[in-house]
Order: sequence, then structure tokens, then C-alpha cells
Amino acid sequence: NAGVTQTPKFQVLKTGQSMTLQCAQDMNHEYMSWYRQDPGMGLRLIHYSVGAGITDQGEVPNGYNVSRSTTEDFPLRLLSAAPSQTSVYFCASSPDRGSYNSPLHFGNGTRLTVT
Amino acid sequence: GENVEQHPSTLSVQEGDSAVIKCTYSDSASNYFPWYKQELGKGPQLIIDIRSNVGEKKDQRIAVTLNKTAKHFSLHITETQPEDSAVYFCAAPPGGSYIPTFGRGTSLIVHP
Repeated sequence: NAGVTQTPKFQVLKTGQSMTLQCAQDMNHEYMSWYRQDPGMGLRLIHYSVGAGITDQGEVPNGYNVSRSTTEDFPLRLLSAAPSQTSVYFCASSPDRGSYNSPLHFGNGTRLTVT
Repeated sequence: GENVEQHPSTLSVQEGDSAVIKCTYSDSASNYFPWYKQELGKGPQLIIDIRSNVGEKKDQRIAVTLNKTAKHFSLHITETQPEDSAVYFCAAPPGGSYIPTFGRGTSLIVHP
């Protein structure tokens, strides 16, 4: 059981470039989300989705787009990369839509550097 | 919204000692409190959770206690081992939400 798979593991971008971070889960989870992790800041929510076709903004959505065309995939797009987007990005999923009692399952992250 | 504060930010202990990490939350309607462990280069993984209808839960060397009146919950690790060295996060979803608010993390260092 692969769980949550993120690709790539590492990426270096130049300012202004665009790219897509991939996230896939094979657990048939309804809820998927993207976090960024910066030193001393913990985990901050970027965007989330409660099911295919439904997305919403989290705490720090600016500069990022998401879509959810299938249950399995939840890509994160950086439209025009900025040095402030240098971070480690985590995708996480949870089995229940609207449940308040389920833990998140995290991928192993993508480390992004923007120069 | 929910505000979760986690202390300490860094905790250094000798192997065999106990470690305690505490989180406080603001939304009295919160009812689910997970703890995650993040090892270097990996994503956070659930290690234990507790629901509001119980005050304590144990799993071998780890335990979580919940005080709903005071709105705080704590992670207890006994007989610490070097492999317990990691960053630990608490989380609490606001009442009526499935979106957790995370604490800022505690870096636990266990010295052999």
C-alpha cells in the first residue's frame, strides 16, 4: 500500500518559472490538502479539497492553484515562483469528508528551492 | 478560529528519561487531538490520538492526556530512546471542522 506519494522529492526553480507538484493517494480518501513547512512556522495550510471537483483556500493560498479532477490526485501549481515560496511542501489526506475524528496521512514531501 | 500553542519548542533529554510536550487550544468545541512524529526528511506520521470522551490513552511508551476544562493536552514519552529523536506536532481541529490547526512543533533530542 503506497499511501500518499509526492513527486518530485527535490526541485530547484528560477524566479518566475512555473511548475506542478504532484500528489497521489491510493486509499480512496475524500479529503486532501497541501501544507508548507518553514522553520519555526509549523505546518501552514495552502489549499484543501473535500472531494473530486471541490477545492478551497487555506491559510496561505496566494501564488498557488489546485484542482481535483479525480479522487486520487491533487496537484499543486506554482504560477510564477518567488523566493518566498522556498519551502518543504507536504500533501496529506484523510478518509472522512466532514469527519472530525480522522488523522491525516502525509506524503514525504517536496523540497523546493526558488533562486 | 482555533489557536494551538505548543511548548517547549526544543526538548533535550538523556536516554531513559521521560519527555512531556504540552499543547493548549482555544476552541472548547474541539473534540479530537492527534499527535504526529516527523523524522528527518519524512512527512509527519500519527503516533497517538485522543478523543474528548476520554482523559488518557496509552500505547506502550507513549501516552496522551487531555484536560478539557483547562483546554490542554499533553504527550508523554517514557524511557526515551535515541530513535525517539524527532519533531513532534500536536493538532486540534476547531469544533465542526475537519481541518486541524497545528502547533509549531517540538524538537525532541534524546542523548545516548
